[in-house]
Order: sequence, then C-alpha cells, then structure tokens
Amino acid sequence: DAGVTQSPTHLIKTRGQHVTLRCSPISGHKSVSWYQQVLGQGPQFIFQYYEKEERGRGNFPDRFSARQFPNYSSELNVNALLLGDSALYLCASSPGGQEQFFGPGTRLTVL
Amino acid sequence: GQSLEQPSEVTAVEGAIVQINCTYQTSGFYGLSWYQQHDGGAPTFLSYNALDGLEETGRFSSFLSRSDSYGYLLLQELQMKDSASYFCAVRDNQGGKLIFGQGTELSVKP
Repeated sequence: DAGVTQSPTHLIKTRGQHVTLRCSPISGHKSVSWYQQVLGQGPQFIFQYYEKEERGRGNFPDRFSARQFPNYSSELNVNALLLGDSALYLCASSPGGQEQFFGPGTRLTVL
Repeated sequence: GQSLEQPSEVTAVEGAIVQINCTYQTSGFYGLSWYQQHDGGAPTFLSYNALDGLEETGRFSSFLSRSDSYGYLLLQELQMKDSASYFCAVRDNQGGKLIFGQGTELSVKP
C-alpha cells in the first residue's frame, strides 16, 4: 500500500510569492493534518481536516490556508512568503485513531 | 501555555539501554505518542500511551504517568540504526492535533 505522498519534494520561492503544497493520504484515511518543521525543532501543528471540514487550526497567520478535497487529498497554501516560512512542511494522515502517518515532506526555501 | 520538555541530546553505545524522558504541560491530554525521525526523513510512529503504565513493542517501550505529566521512551539493545531524533507528542484533543517536543537527538556509538 502506498504511504502518504507529498508534492513537490523541494521548492524554492522568493519573498512575497505564494506556494501550494499537495498531499495525498493513505487510502481510506479521512483525516489530514499539516505541520511545519523548522530545522532543529519539532513539528508545529498548522491545520487538521476531516471529511473536508477544518477541525483544528494552529497558531499561524491568515497567510496560511488549506482545504481538503472529496478524495481526501489536501492542499496547503501560503501567501506573501516570508524568509521565516522556510521549513519542512509535513502532511500526516490518520484513519481517526491515535497514530498519524507522515509523508516525506516538502522542503520549502524562501529567498 | 503548552510545552513539552525533553533532553536535547543523548549518547549511548551499541547494545546498551537508553531512556528518553518527556514532561508535558498542555491544556488537554488524550495521550502521549513517540515518533522517530532520521535526518531528512518523515517522522515515524513508535508508540502511544493513553493510560498510565508501560507499553512494550519489541525493543521499544513507553511509559506514562498522567499524575506526574511525565513519560519516557526506553530503547533496548541499541543498534547503530537507532541514531535519530526522537519526539514526544501530546494529543491534546479528540482530533488529530499533536503538540511536539523539541526532540532528542540520539547518537549510538560502536
């Protein structure tokens, strides 16, 4: 079975641009969560979606938004990029239990 | 505020046993999880404790004391491949939100 997939794997943007990151959960998983991981720190929760509805939002500015599609895949959008947005963006899917399965992440570099 | 405290780094030798502690202070608590992350890789789930006590999965065990807001991950028979970062994470609601600690970098020496 395929695990969580994310695209792209790497991305380089400049300040002020916007970016869209994509995530496909494990088949059958209806919950998708997004995390930001800055080098040397633990992942920080950004959003959770379940059955296409937002179920949780972390302490991130409104420049960050997300959505979940009918096939349970998800997009994370970040507008007006700042240098501090450079990080590894992780997507995790869950069947609803305590275990979350993480994808390989998208490494975003903002110049 | 919400915080999880764990040691920043631990060093041990092959074949030894190591314990990584985690103390937490969160607004809600639905369980403590442990994740392993190798450099540049995805965090992978190791264990989960919702109730007090010890959970054992092969060479890895995890313990929780809710009254002390404390847990630990125990790794036995250390192998070189166990060198990685280990994160404790609290599930603070019934949904999927995890609050992670800063991570403990484990170095296993020959």
